[in-house]
Amino acid sequence: GQQLNQSPQSMFIQEGEDVSMNCTSSSIFNTWLWYKQEPGEGPVLLIALYKAGELTSNGRLTAQFGITRKDSFLNISASIPSDVGIYFCAGQIGGSQGNLIFGKGTKLSVKP
Amino acid sequence: SQTIHQWPATLVQPVGSPLSLECTVEGTSNPNLYWYRQAAGRGLQLLFYSVGIGQISSEVPQNLSASRPQDRQFILSSKKLLLSDSGFYLCAWSRDSGLGNTIYFGEGSWLTVV
Repeated sequence: GQQLNQSPQSMFIQEGEDVSMNCTSSSIFNTWLWYKQEPGEGPVLLIALYKAGELTSNGRLTAQFGITRKDSFLNISASIPSDVGIYFCAGQIGGSQGNLIFGKGTKLSVKP
Repeated sequence: SQTIHQWPATLVQPVGSPLSLECTVEGTSNPNLYWYRQAAGRGLQLLFYSVGIGQISSEVPQNLSASRPQDRQFILSSKKLLLSDSGFYLCAWSRDSGLGNTIYFGEGSWLTVV
C-alpha cells in the first residue's frame, strides 16, 4: 500500500531557529495537508495544498507541494515555544471519500 | 461555520465492558465521517469511514464497529473491550466532494481499558 515517509522523526531546536520537515512518497498525490497536534488534542489543520508546485504560507509557516507530486515540505520560521507539538503530513491520492494517508509525525521541541 | 464534537473526552473502562463514543458535526450536510485511532501520540490509523447514513467502510479488522444513524452523527462501539483497544480516538469529517476533501478532526477521546 501507499506510504508516506516523514522526516525527521523529532527535532530539538532553540527558540528563534527555523525548522524544516518533509514528507516523501513513491506515490503521486492530489492533495497535501499539514497538521499540528498538541498533547491530548486532535490534529489541527495548518496548511492545505492542492496543486503541484503550490507554495502557501500561514503566518510563520510555509509549505510547498512538490513538482513531482510525491513530496511536500513544511518550514517554520523563527520558532517560538508554542510551536511545540507533533506535525503530521497527509496526502490524498484521490476518490470522493477523502481518505488520507498520514505520515508518522515530526515531534518538535523548542527550548526557550 | 462547521464544528465537530466528540465525547466523552476521557473514558476508563474495564476489559469486557461495552464502548460507545459519539461524534456529531454541525454546519454542513452529508459530510464524510471518519474514526481514527492514535497510539502513543503518533501514527493515525483509519478505522472506519462513512459517506452516508448507514454506509460504513471498515479499514482494519478489529474489535470495534461504527454506525451512522443520522447524517451528522457517527458512533464508535464495542461489545467487549480488550486491553489493546486503549488509545486516543479521533472523529473527523470532510466535505462530500470538492477540492482536496480536507479532513477536520474533533478534540479526541482518551480510552483506557483496565
